Amino acid sequence: KAGVTQTPRYLIKTRGQQVTLSCSPISGHRSVSWYQQTPGQGLQFLFEYFSETQRNKGNFPGRFSGRQFSNSRSEMNVSTLELGDSALYLCASSKAAQETQYFGPGTRLLVL
Amino acid sequence: GENVEQHPSTLSVQEGDSAVIKCTYSDSASNYFPWYKQELGKRPQLIIDIRSNVGEKKDQRIAVTLNKTAKHFSLHITETQPEDSAVYFCAARGLGGSARQLTFGSGTQLTVLP
Repeated sequence: KAGVTQTPRYLIKTRGQQVTLSCSPISGHRSVSWYQQTPGQGLQFLFEYFSETQRNKGNFPGRFSGRQFSNSRSEMNVSTLELGDSALYLCASSKAAQETQYFGPGTRLLVL
Repeated sequence: GENVEQHPSTLSVQEGDSAVIKCTYSDSASNYFPWYKQELGKRPQLIIDIRSNVGEKKDQRIAVTLNKTAKHFSLHITETQPEDSAVYFCAARGLGGSARQLTFGSGTQLTVLP
């Protein structure tokens, strides 16, 4: 069974731009969670989607948003990028909420 | 919300020795505690997890223990090998509302010296 995939793997943007990241979960998994990983803050929860509904949201500004499609694929969007948004963005999928999460390889975003 | 503290932040051991990483959590309702291993430039990979109805779980050289009363859990790696070198993260998750999210510790850089 194919693992969680994320596209693109690397991205360079400038301040003020917006970016969309994509996550395809493991086949049969309906829950997708997103995390931001930085050296200083570690792994921080962004949001969780299940059956196209946002079930939980972390403590991030409204510039961070996401959605989930009927095939369970998920996207996250960051608008008005700031230098501090440079990070590795990881998504993780699970069969359902409260189940074991499996991570994708991440998208490394650099904001200049 | 939940707060997870992880110690130590760095750990060096000789090959063949044991390594222990400890985490404490704040929310007594948390009931699921996974451990992830992240090698440089790679995705976090689940290595073992434990639920609150179990005190200990073992998988070959890896074991996790949970003390619900003290609200702490530990990862034990025996007979360490160079390939065990990585960053290890603990996490905790509760049942409802904002507690449903996984809250991670800050990570432990484990180095196994040959």
